[in-house]
Amino acid sequence: GENVGLHLPTLSVQEGDNSIINCAYSNSASDYFIWYKQESGKGPQFIIDIRSNMDKRQGQRVTVLLNKTVKHLSLQIAATQPGDSAVYFCAIYGETSGSRLTFGEGTQLTVNP
Amino acid sequence: KAGVTQTPRYLIKTRGQQVTLSCSPISGHRSVSWYQQTPGQGLQFLFEYFSETQRNKGNFPGRFSGRQFSNSRSEMNVSTLELGDSALYLCASSLGGLADTQYFGPGTRLTVL
Repeated sequence: GENVGLHLPTLSVQEGDNSIINCAYSNSASDYFIWYKQESGKGPQFIIDIRSNMDKRQGQRVTVLLNKTVKHLSLQIAATQPGDSAVYFCAIYGETSGSRLTFGEGTQLTVNP
Repeated sequence: KAGVTQTPRYLIKTRGQQVTLSCSPISGHRSVSWYQQTPGQGLQFLFEYFSETQRNKGNFPGRFSGRQFSNSRSEMNVSTLELGDSALYLCASSLGGLADTQYFGPGTRLTVL
């Protein structure tokens, strides 16, 4: 199976700063990694994903970094805005680890104006 | 394109009853997966259906079951409800399965009294 841990349950940043949210995973056979954002009262919303054959992927203001050596995944949000305030989850999928999506516990990001 | 819809949005039941939740995926998506979200356990995978067949299953008791219809709509059933079943139940759809981007619905909030 897969265990997914998160380093910080809460993160508070100032508007305009960069935010970094982390995830650690246990199964080295995991091959698909996804970040979701969940706002209050809504379902998780896809942000960005990365496959195990890559170590970095960039989107609009977001970057995901994958370090397979230490089994660590991070989400970087540039120029954080108040609208980025939400809970962020990492999710990990691996066909050799049970073919299921395993979610981290979530980090509550608060952006202060 | 319409997103994933779930009905009902809110539900109150008593212990011992059963409940059926419904999920309509994004048009063209053949995979529907279900998740339970609670403050204590976070987001946990229940099961995934693809073309009317259950392909993957999480670690939940047999009281939790589901099915998928030929139009890809899915239902989840929980029998003999327990207080601990109170949760937000989310469904997600994707084109090909858990290794593809999951698009989540808003969830059904189930309260068991």
